[in-house]
Amino acid sequence: GENVEQHPSTLSVQEGDSAVIKCTYSDSASNYFPWYKQELGKRPQLIIDIRSNVGEKKDQRIAVTLNKTAKHFSLHITETQPEDSAVYFCAASIPNQAGTALIFGKGTTLSVSS
Amino acid sequence: KAGVTQTPRYLIKTRGQQVTLSCSPISGHRSVSWYQQTPGQGLQFLFEYFSETQRNKGNFPGRFSGRQFSNSRSEMNVSTLELGDSALYLCASSFNGNTEAFFGQGTRLTVV
Repeated sequence: GENVEQHPSTLSVQEGDSAVIKCTYSDSASNYFPWYKQELGKRPQLIIDIRSNVGEKKDQRIAVTLNKTAKHFSLHITETQPEDSAVYFCAASIPNQAGTALIFGKGTTLSVSS
Repeated sequence: KAGVTQTPRYLIKTRGQQVTLSCSPISGHRSVSWYQQTPGQGLQFLFEYFSETQRNKGNFPGRFSGRQFSNSRSEMNVSTLELGDSALYLCASSFNGNTEAFFGQGTRLTVV
């Protein structure tokens, strides 16, 4: 089945720096790749997503890139702020004849210090 | 519109007991997925239901089961509870499983 590897598991940056989180997936048929942010004690929430027919997508300080050949995708956060501190999860869709569901990576704990 | 609702929020059970968790999806969403969240293991996929049928299943033992009703509400059952089943159980609903998934606030299960 689909397997999603996420690195690094922890990331500490200074306010204003950029942060990059990388994920790889195993099933070349996966076609949907969302990123979720989970703040302490809260539910995960979607921050950005990308489909396999697009190589890059940007939303203000957040961008996601996808390399289908290498089967990896990355989250880029620029000009980090303390409120960006959270756990970030990448996910990839499980494609099969019956339908799709999402498989998540193990998460990256991002700490932004001011 | 109302978000995804999970009940109960907290549960304490004894080893060997069984437990049933409930998830009410966003109106119109037919796909409901269940995840187990533990520190260091992220969100581990349990199973996904769509229109009352289990479409996908993760690598969990048969003690973990689920079902979905005609109104898309879903239940998850864990039998013969073990200490290692202590976790936050999250459900997520989406329109068809391949679109944005919205999470519930989770059920915190503690097995003693």
